[in-house]
Amino acid sequence: AQRVTQPEKLLSVFKGAPVELKCNYSYSGSPELFWYVQYSRQRLQLLLRHISRESIKGFTADLNKGETSFHLKKPFAQEEDSAMYYCALRGSSNTGKLIFGQGTTLQVKP
Amino acid sequence: GAVVSQHPSRVICKSGTSVKIECRSLDFQATTMFWYRQFPKQSLMLMATSNEGSKATYEQGVEKDKFLINHASLTLSTLTVTSAHPEDSSFYICSARGTGSNYGYTFGSGTRLTVV
Repeated sequence: AQRVTQPEKLLSVFKGAPVELKCNYSYSGSPELFWYVQYSRQRLQLLLRHISRESIKGFTADLNKGETSFHLKKPFAQEEDSAMYYCALRGSSNTGKLIFGQGTTLQVKP
Repeated sequence: GAVVSQHPSRVICKSGTSVKIECRSLDFQATTMFWYRQFPKQSLMLMATSNEGSKATYEQGVEKDKFLINHASLTLSTLTVTSAHPEDSSFYICSARGTGSNYGYTFGSGTRLTVV
């Protein structure tokens, strides 16, 4: 079964502190992993995906197949990073549907 | 960039009535549309996947007769909640994907449905 787990509902840090939003997945094949962000009163938007190996707004995420994890990291949090973050998985054998984790609210305090 | 327009943003209806939610892709052809439901402070739960011109594929536990999905064109998909009840009150979000395996997903802004 496909599953995405984000263990933290809320992560609160001070501005300038490092951030790590955890994501673990369960999938028997080769998944594609994504991070989506939802700012207040805005729609869900793509932050980054593992196949691109890119850094967006200072965020990075590395797929660790051994630990089945795709944690999102940023060395220095900014207040504007405060948002809801969703980790999502797309399997290789389905219709392209995305399965989302429960989401983590990141709160960056001044 | 790709834009999906979802309407209405909010709707209140009486129990027993039906409500239609529309999602339009404005500048690309949405070959696949996904419909999600989101409860307060919870994740997005996939309800169904529809490909243009085909019947939708529903996730386990989702009543296909209650949540009617139509994807008759490459730019429009609709979700109709039939005989709505208060427990159907939720936030519904569509997501569209164009052709090509690397084509990204574009989300609508969501519809807040309240059944009274």
